[in-house]
Amino acid sequence: SQQGEEDPQALSIQEGENATMNCSYKTSINNLQWYRQNSGRGLVHLILIRSNEREKHSGRLRVTLDTSKKSSSLLITASRAADTASYFCATDPSGSARQLTFGSGTQLTVLP
Amino acid sequence: DGGITQSPKYLFRKEGQNVTLSCEQNLNHDAMYWYRQDPGQGLRLIYYSQIVNDFQKGDIAEGYSVSREKKESFPLTVTSAQKNPTAFYLCASSIGVTDTQYFGPGTRLTVL
Repeated sequence: SQQGEEDPQALSIQEGENATMNCSYKTSINNLQWYRQNSGRGLVHLILIRSNEREKHSGRLRVTLDTSKKSSSLLITASRAADTASYFCATDPSGSARQLTFGSGTQLTVLP
Repeated sequence: DGGITQSPKYLFRKEGQNVTLSCEQNLNHDAMYWYRQDPGQGLRLIYYSQIVNDFQKGDIAEGYSVSREKKESFPLTVTSAQKNPTAFYLCASSIGVTDTQYFGPGTRLTVL
């Protein structure tokens, strides 16, 4: 079963607006990662946030983590048409099964 | 130029044939992974390897086989036992099993 689930499944915004995507997960984690995938390409790592961190920034990206609610959000500020892609969260669950589990993704479309 | 490569980019196969997808990395990573992605879906783990000469089944290993004879290489064979092999296959590598994963460009397999 999927550990992480992104919400919404699809998001369409105008260039310059902010985009927010959410990820919920079920079990406790060591870290949570966000990846981006352009259509028909491999995934590119964006940012990693550890379970003892609450917020992290990288350029126009802001990630928050709320372990009490088992959720994370990815905010892209001042979006550009080039941000159009699918965005996935991946969780590293605590315990012996140390492997990343990917959600089903949010498809972001930024309209020029 | 460091990275992870997959070949071929597109692959066509007749039903009943085995086919091997190549994955090579020169990042000196210990861990390597194979994922399957169906249209509009997230990634599902087929097999992963934490170290040379060792590999573990993922969530959907049936109908697939792998080998890890060299650190740099992790080929995936899609056998005739895989009932629905048409999909996009992604290979990834990381320093360790819960670290950031670096993805290849993917191979799109179509069974005719």
